[in-house]
Amino acid sequence: QKEVEQDPGPLSVPEGAIVSLNCTYSNSAFQYFMWYRQYSRKGPELLMYTYSSGNKEDGRFTAQVDKSSKYISLFIRDSQPSDSATYLCAMSVGETSGSRLTFGEGTQLTVNP
Amino acid sequence: SAVISQKPSRDICQRGTSLTIQCQVDSQVTMMFWYRQQPGQSLTLIATANQGSEATYESGFVIDKFPISRPNLTFSTLTVSNMSPEDSSIYLCSVALFVGAEKLFFGSGTQLSVL
Repeated sequence: QKEVEQDPGPLSVPEGAIVSLNCTYSNSAFQYFMWYRQYSRKGPELLMYTYSSGNKEDGRFTAQVDKSSKYISLFIRDSQPSDSATYLCAMSVGETSGSRLTFGEGTQLTVNP
Repeated sequence: SAVISQKPSRDICQRGTSLTIQCQVDSQVTMMFWYRQQPGQSLTLIATANQGSEATYESGFVIDKFPISRPNLTFSTLTVSNMSPEDSSIYLCSVALFVGAEKLFFGSGTQLSVL
């Protein structure tokens, strides 16, 4: 069993839709949770960073962590064609310098105008 | 965050040859990381490169195949040696920076195709 499982997609939605991207994990020691956005032929870009359980909002993006269920989500409100990308979840036990990040395989999202 | 420049952005190479990928950061960083991203798979850490010490390789990756240099706090190279088609992948340089908390930032990647 993989440590991190991500909904594989691909996902195609109309512009303006609410998008939900999800990851589950098996390692209860994970404390730091991230979402990266990766455009085609580009490196991953850090989108959201959260520590432990709870919600974090940044503009149209909301990251949600439920440690009791070992489940994290990224919600995108009022989705735009520019949101079309692959989204990667990542998590670690400790901070980056001392702890390896474990990534999901990514969900490819297409927002259609 | 930092600007992380990676060269080349893409290359097509012949089997048995080697390719060196360069990574330049616009600020001094202690830790640099090299990742591989194969199609449909998650990012896999190849090695961690600290300036002034030997790189630390992850299970499944060896120095003879992926030699790394880290001559100073802003630069690193990864060489993919004696390439085979199985080495076709995206190779990513990344750095850890403290921006509110310690976070991982990536370069734009090198798309490698081996014929």
